[in-house]
Amino acid sequence: ETGVTQSPTHLIKTRGQQVTLRCSSQSGHNTVSWYQQALGQGPQFIFQYYREEENGRGNFPPRFSGLQFPNYSSELNVNALELDDSALYLCASTVGGTQYFGPGTRLLVL
Amino acid sequence: DAKTTQPPSMDCAEGRAANLPCNHSTISGNEYVYWYRQIHSQGPQYIIHGLKNNETNEMASLIITEDRKSSTLILPHATLRDTAVYYCIVSLANNYGQNFVFGPGTRLSVLP
Repeated sequence: ETGVTQSPTHLIKTRGQQVTLRCSSQSGHNTVSWYQQALGQGPQFIFQYYREEENGRGNFPPRFSGLQFPNYSSELNVNALELDDSALYLCASTVGGTQYFGPGTRLLVL
Repeated sequence: DAKTTQPPSMDCAEGRAANLPCNHSTISGNEYVYWYRQIHSQGPQYIIHGLKNNETNEMASLIITEDRKSSTLILPHATLRDTAVYYCIVSLANNYGQNFVFGPGTRLSVLP
């Protein structure tokens, strides 16, 4: 067990809608990263939060945004959903340089 | 782009050792080698990491060449449950600022 949980496990949305995905990690895990994994590919880095501030971003447009809260939970928000946003979304908390991943949320955009 | 190169797939007989290679010829002096695996549609699972020395834990052993340009993950007695995609990643080891760049990994199939 990594101590990282994500909700929901599965989600179906339609193109143009907005979605919020949630992640919760253990107390003291100050860094959370979000990744997108399309089918058959490795995870791709979206962004990272450290102590509630964005601390690095991958090649994703601004409609991908996030929040980190003092209680070690975080959110990934995606606006104006596109069909290509269908993927497994993973969050990971960092301890001692090692990232521990949650089980992921599978998003399907129709 | 990922800084590592791995074979796309490998087979291993159940009970035998699985040796998964990884090339990282451009690794810098303060970058670690991390190994993760992902069993179908689950989150990646941390296996092991190392800097220079060989490392062993309850899951696997990591052998890093002296020039650090390649490494091998060894699963000593592979079981069917070890069938997964294995990712080799090089990254700094700090609590913030780094992100993991995943390649396509190696799909290991453990055969009965």
